[in-house]
Amino acid sequence: DAKTTQPPSMDCAEGRAANLPCNHSTISGNEYVYWYRQIHSQGPQYIIHGLKNNETNEMASLIITEDRKSSTLILPHATLRDTAVYYCIVRVAGNSGGSNYKLTFGKGTLLTVNP
Amino acid sequence: NAGVTQTPKFRILKIGQSMTLQCAQDMNHNYMYWYRQDPGMGLKLIYYSVGAGITDKGEVPNGYNVSRSTTEDFPLRLELAAPSQTSVYFCASSYGLGGDTQYFGPGTRLTVL
Repeated sequence: DAKTTQPPSMDCAEGRAANLPCNHSTISGNEYVYWYRQIHSQGPQYIIHGLKNNETNEMASLIITEDRKSSTLILPHATLRDTAVYYCIVRVAGNSGGSNYKLTFGKGTLLTVNP
Repeated sequence: NAGVTQTPKFRILKIGQSMTLQCAQDMNHNYMYWYRQDPGMGLKLIYYSVGAGITDKGEVPNGYNVSRSTTEDFPLRLELAAPSQTSVYFCASSYGLGGDTQYFGPGTRLTVL
């Protein structure tokens, strides 16, 4: 799986958009970008994933650059409950075999939403 | 759906003791995983299973054993607990292998003294 680079921490004001960047310059053509988050002491939670087109769901938007070497997770109206560690993970999607069975979590970005 | 459930939430073991961490899912997922997370670190895969009766090692399997007799349950056994196994253990499941969305349980916080 391609390696990702994220800032260790970010702050955001409540009600404002939180934009979390991720660099993945070695991403392969068949690798997706996944975002998970982990609220303190809880299990990781899936947020969104995408291949090359921008994606949006009820939680967030994912913007992937045209060269796919970086992406940004956008939480449009951050709340205090969005304070968490956000993980950007690049991996092959679908029912692939071999070693493509695990999620590789790095250290992620600690997003702190301030009142 | 309850999703992925784990018991117990907390446990303190003495060195050399054994225990089983329970994990169950009600989403009819074929694939299940056990991860551990040490303080300030990311998750590391211990074992995974692609279906009942089939399990395989992950990155850090030493000191652990698993079994998968049903689709729903995937217990993790610790034999001869050591302080290095102090960690938070997360169970997860997915419909597909690895690349599909993984759903995580709330975790079991284990301390070995």
